[in-house]
Amino acid sequence: DIQMTQSPSSLSAPVGDRVTITCRASQSISSYLNWYQQKPGKAPKLLIYDASSLQSGVPSRFSGSGSGTDFTLTISSLQPEDCATYYCQQSYKTPVTFGQGTRLEI
Amino acid sequence: EVQLVESGGGLVQPGGSLRLSCAASGFTFSTYEMNWVRQAPGKGLEWVSYISSSARTIYYADSVKGRFTISRDDAKNSLYLQMNSLRAEDTAVYYCARDQVPGYSGYIMDVWGKGTTVTVSS
Repeated sequence: DIQMTQSPSSLSAPVGDRVTITCRASQSISSYLNWYQQKPGKAPKLLIYDASSLQSGVPSRFSGSGSGTDFTLTISSLQPEDCATYYCQQSYKTPVTFGQGTRLEI
Repeated sequence: EVQLVESGGGLVQPGGSLRLSCAASGFTFSTYEMNWVRQAPGKGLEWVSYISSSARTIYYADSVKGRFTISRDDAKNSLYLQMNSLRAEDTAVYYCARDQVPGYSGYIMDVWGKGTTVTVSS
């Protein structure tokens, strides 16, 4: 199975800051990498797919990059509503696997 | 409005069975691949199972293989997860989630239900 490792596990940043979350795959997954946002008590929400494509309706302050084994999710200017846990997920092959999550506090 | 609504969760004893349902609306259910994903209390997301739009291709996580069965009824716009031989470690919120592109096994989940809670305990 492909292992997905996120860093950091948690972070705190002020409103307006630029934030970067990293995800590393245990083997090359090309660009088959997706990012989800989950707020407490809510279902996950797709933010970025195929490493860098912004899902419809997602604010443009969210962006993704990377390929192969190393990927990043960047929030250009942190907003209060971005307080959530973020997960990366590989869609290269089954079993689909998620990172352990990064908890973001504002 | 595109919507997925799960039901069927509850409290069950170890070794028991439960059938989860997911009712889809607002899109052509029969053309989309579907998934079940679960989240244990305070833990991360774990993919459980996948079914293609034709139902010919099915995958399971090793942790549930042989115990869980995914199925779909396109006439009822519904997805199911039959869970047998339940264990304490199956306790979780179970989400159904739609694949983004119809007819393509992309495993990119763009629509999620709110989840149904399964608790396995004596």
